[in-house]
Amino acid sequence: GENVEQHPSTLSVQEGDSAVIKCTYSDSASNYFPWYKQELGKRPQLIIDIRSNVGEKKDQRIAVTLNKTAKHFSLHITETQPEDSAVYFCAAIRGGADGLTFGKGTHLIIQP
Amino acid sequence: NAGVTQTPKFQVLKTGQSMTLQCAQDMNHEYMSWYRQDPGMGLRLIHYSVGAGITDQGEVPNGYNVSRSTTEDFPLRLLSAAPSQTSVYFCASSYSIWTPEPYEQYFGPGTRLTVT
Repeated sequence: GENVEQHPSTLSVQEGDSAVIKCTYSDSASNYFPWYKQELGKRPQLIIDIRSNVGEKKDQRIAVTLNKTAKHFSLHITETQPEDSAVYFCAAIRGGADGLTFGKGTHLIIQP
Repeated sequence: NAGVTQTPKFQVLKTGQSMTLQCAQDMNHEYMSWYRQDPGMGLRLIHYSVGAGITDQGEVPNGYNVSRSTTEDFPLRLLSAAPSQTSVYFCASSYSIWTPEPYEQYFGPGTRLTVT
């Protein structure tokens, strides 16, 4: 089955700086890669996703890149703000699979 | 649309008790699933369903049962609760999973379960 590794487990950045979270996956057939943000006590919320036929996708301060050859994808957050503090999860899935395989999460801390 | 709803929000059980966690969605999604979230473990798939009358096991199915009699509802049953089942449980739904490229999944608010 699919295996997703996520790094780092904790990331502390100064407000206004950029943050990068990296994930690798094992199943070369995986073709959908969502990123979820989870605030304390809340549900995971989809913030951005990318499909295997796209190398990069941007949405305002958030971007995701995908390298299919190396089987890794990354989340980039620019101009970080206090409200970006949360746990971020990457995930991977292929069409027809049973469900998402999640990374173990990254706790992003934005220092004022 | 209410989206994905779950009840209860919190539950405390004693070892050996049984209970049902409820999940419902009003988006006419074919696919529904249950995940459990434990500290440092991410979310792990328990059971899933690709349509009414069809269910299957995920990564961690032991100790749980599911059924899907309608498109809207997907309850999760704990047969005999154990302390190892203390966790936060999330239900999720998606338009479809059986396509070349999966659709995005929407999560419910979660149920925090403690087994003593």
